[in-house]
Amino acid sequence: GQSLEQPSEVTAVEGAIVQINCTYQTSGFYGLSWYQQHDGGAPTFLSYNALDGLEETGRFSSFLSRSDSYGYLLLQELQMKDSASYFCAVIDYKLSFGAGTTVTVRA
Amino acid sequence: GAVVSQHPSWVICKSGTSVKIECRSLDFQATTMFWYRQFPKQSLMLMATSNEGSKATYEQGVEKDKFLINHASLTLSTLTVTSAHPEDSSFYICSASSREGTDTQYFGPGTRLTVL
Repeated sequence: GQSLEQPSEVTAVEGAIVQINCTYQTSGFYGLSWYQQHDGGAPTFLSYNALDGLEETGRFSSFLSRSDSYGYLLLQELQMKDSASYFCAVIDYKLSFGAGTTVTVRA
Repeated sequence: GAVVSQHPSWVICKSGTSVKIECRSLDFQATTMFWYRQFPKQSLMLMATSNEGSKATYEQGVEKDKFLINHASLTLSTLTVTSAHPEDSSFYICSASSREGTDTQYFGPGTRLTVL
């Protein structure tokens, strides 16, 4: 089976940088994805890492180290609208989601 | 970009009734569709995976006779919650992939089901 661990909550101020770590144990692995979900909404895709290294998409970056079974999502120049839950998800034949990290951005 | 719709967006029903939720891929053909359930403040839990024209594959602990899934075409999958009970109240989300694989899934907006 799969298990994923990520912090439950993070609070930061506008303009700050937040890193959300995700460690995983899985029997099969094709890649690691990150999703954002606002209250009452559906998840939206942020990034996908199949290979080791850093993927950058605007203010958000994602990193993967397959040898360490570890990845992180980096949120830069935080804005109020970034307040949401962020889920890492391991991909094998299905998506298995972590419990989610609630990010609260304060003015 | 790929768009997935769900209908209805919310539904309230009486205990014992059945509810059908539709998931449509609007601008691409979805080889595979996934149904998730999410309880408040919890993660998404995969319920089942369906491929067009074949029976759905249910995750362990999900009752296939209670949650009927039909993937009738490459753009439509339906989830029917039969004989719904209050404990079935949840946020049901579908996602669709355009090929055999899970690396790129496009999520629908979700359906909030409340069973009285």
